[in-house]
Amino acid sequence: SQQGEEDPQALSIQEGENATMNCSYKTSINNLQWYRQNSGRGLVHLILIRSNEREKHSGRLRVTLDTSKKSSSLLITASRAADTASYFCATTREAAGNKLTFGGGTRVLVKP
Amino acid sequence: NAGVMQNPRHLVRRRGQEARLRCSPMKGHSHVYWYRQLPEEGLKFMVYLQKENIIDESGMPKERFSAEFPKEGPSILRIQQVVRGDSAAYFCASSPPNSMDTGELFFGEGSRLTVL
Repeated sequence: SQQGEEDPQALSIQEGENATMNCSYKTSINNLQWYRQNSGRGLVHLILIRSNEREKHSGRLRVTLDTSKKSSSLLITASRAADTASYFCATTREAAGNKLTFGGGTRVLVKP
Repeated sequence: NAGVMQNPRHLVRRRGQEARLRCSPMKGHSHVYWYRQLPEEGLKFMVYLQKENIIDESGMPKERFSAEFPKEGPSILRIQQVVRGDSAAYFCASSPPNSMDTGELFFGEGSRLTVL
């Protein structure tokens, strides 16, 4: 079964709005990462948050991590049409040899 | 600095043929990972290799699939006697030797295998 599960599976918003997606996981982690994938392309790393961190920012991205609830959220502020993509959370945990385990993704459509 | 290079980008095979997918990691990277992605799904881990060593192959199917990362040359994912269910995008990712703590991976553009 997936270590990470994203919610919602799909999201449609207007340009300028904020997009929020969530990720839940099952076991303790070393860190949690978010990646973006444009259609037909490879994944691009966005941001990494360690298990002892609660919030991180990178440009228009804000990530939170709640280890007590085993969940994370990714917020994209002031979305642009170019933000249209699938977003995946991925976790690393020592028990799994620190390899990345991905969730099923959230497909975001930003309408101009 | 070239990124992770995968080839071919697209590969069509008939059932029973062999598929070979190649991956050259980023310069200076010594860890290679292979993932498989079905349409509209996330990436599923297959195998993690370092030069001349398979570190973790827990995601590899028991039969027909093999992977190597020789001392010289690219990493190869080999699928023998392909079946329709092998149709997927196969992604390679690499990381530098000291990135085990962060786990950040750098991905190639993928190889899309279609089995007729």
